[in-house]
Amino acid sequence: ETGVTQTPRHLVMGMTNKKSLKCEQHLGHNAMYWYKQSAKKPLELMFVYNFKEQTENNSVPSRFSPECPNSSHLFLHLHTLQPEDSALYLCASSQSGVEGRETQYFGPGTRLLVL
Amino acid sequence: SQQGEEDPQALSIQEGENATMNCSYKTSINNLQWYRQNSGRGLVHLILIRSNEREKHSGRLRVTLDTSKKSSSLLITASRAADTASYFCATDAGGNKLVFGAGTILRVKS
Repeated sequence: ETGVTQTPRHLVMGMTNKKSLKCEQHLGHNAMYWYKQSAKKPLELMFVYNFKEQTENNSVPSRFSPECPNSSHLFLHLHTLQPEDSALYLCASSQSGVEGRETQYFGPGTRLLVL
Repeated sequence: SQQGEEDPQALSIQEGENATMNCSYKTSINNLQWYRQNSGRGLVHLILIRSNEREKHSGRLRVTLDTSKKSSSLLITASRAADTASYFCATDAGGNKLVFGAGTILRVKS
């Protein structure tokens, strides 16, 4: 788990706040992901970045805005969220395009509560 | 749409017993992966099996894959209390996308 770090680990925000989640991977990977995990629902893929380029946006509302300044860092900017956005947000990384390296490595997650 | 569907949803066993979890999926895949998650934490990769493989072992883990039935199973032998966690299968159909199932919650009682 130490290969992918996420901050903050816990976040409480009001619906009018703006906050950002940060993810950093120390594994030299070229692909990074944001997932949302809500109670009693399967893990939902939100965004995929390959070589800093967004290659997947899984119909995520615009109140979630990702940013990938380089292949080691990934941000998720949050604004005007809804209570139903409360969830565990997980970041992951992998080495794209290399057979045998398809495994994704996950960070510990940010537990978000929207009031 | 979700691919992997695990069953059972929850499993409670005694320490030392074996635990078997199943996963079914709907479309063709390149590989299928199993992950473990301790409560409220990130997922940890356990094992990957490719579409041309039928069985794979890693320590106390044994994974099988039946592409004709679009199903996989994860067997944990001689379970320990520390194996208590949620287990997820994830299918890889290419394009850097893993599709996860809802998971099986395993509780191993000591």
